[in-house]
Amino acid sequence: KQEVTQIPAALSVPEGENLVLNCSFTDSAIYNLQWFRQDPGKGLTSLLLIQSSQREQTSGRLNASLDKSSGRSTLYIAASQPGDSATYLCVKAGGTSYGKLTFGQGTILTVHP
Amino acid sequence: GAGVSQSPRYKVAKRGQDVALRCDPISGHVSLFWYQQALGQGPEFLTYFQNEAQLDKSGLPSDRFFAERPEGSVSTLKIQRTQQEDSAVYLCASSLKAGKNYGYTFGSGTRLTVV
Repeated sequence: KQEVTQIPAALSVPEGENLVLNCSFTDSAIYNLQWFRQDPGKGLTSLLLIQSSQREQTSGRLNASLDKSSGRSTLYIAASQPGDSATYLCVKAGGTSYGKLTFGQGTILTVHP
Repeated sequence: GAGVSQSPRYKVAKRGQDVALRCDPISGHVSLFWYQQALGQGPEFLTYFQNEAQLDKSGLPSDRFFAERPEGSVSTLKIQRTQQEDSAVYLCASSLKAGKNYGYTFGSGTRLTVV
């Protein structure tokens, strides 16, 4: 069974800190890995998509890396802000011919002023 | 449309009632997923369509759940004889194609509460 695990489950930090969110997966058959944020009562917003042939992607204060050999992805958030508070989900596509999406349980991030 | 649209946004159903949840994917998107997200949990796979073909329905929890996409665009998830354990947010996602180069766009979900 494919599994995606996220650590930590929850994180509370003061504004301005640099953060690391971790994701690990058990099946190396991966098409891509996508990081989403989910705000309470809302849908999922895509943050970064890393193809299987790529090592990292960057968007603004966000940087995501992918290491297929170790089955890990990391999301870095630089200079965190209260508006970054949300649940962050790691989603792996792969394991089937059509690229089935498997979700981690998420990291709940709280950035306090 | 510009994004994935789901309706209704909220649905309250009495136990035993049938419900139908609608997903309008981005125009031209081939791949479509349905996911179920219980409170405090990550989304769990329900079913996958490629155009009108339902290629994987292994995640549907029981035969009370049925999904269709007859013309390869709009999809409907139907739940018959709803139970309290069906209470969750149902998410739909679409992608231009299946495979490695395409990420997925999610709708805002339908929050189903069975009372």
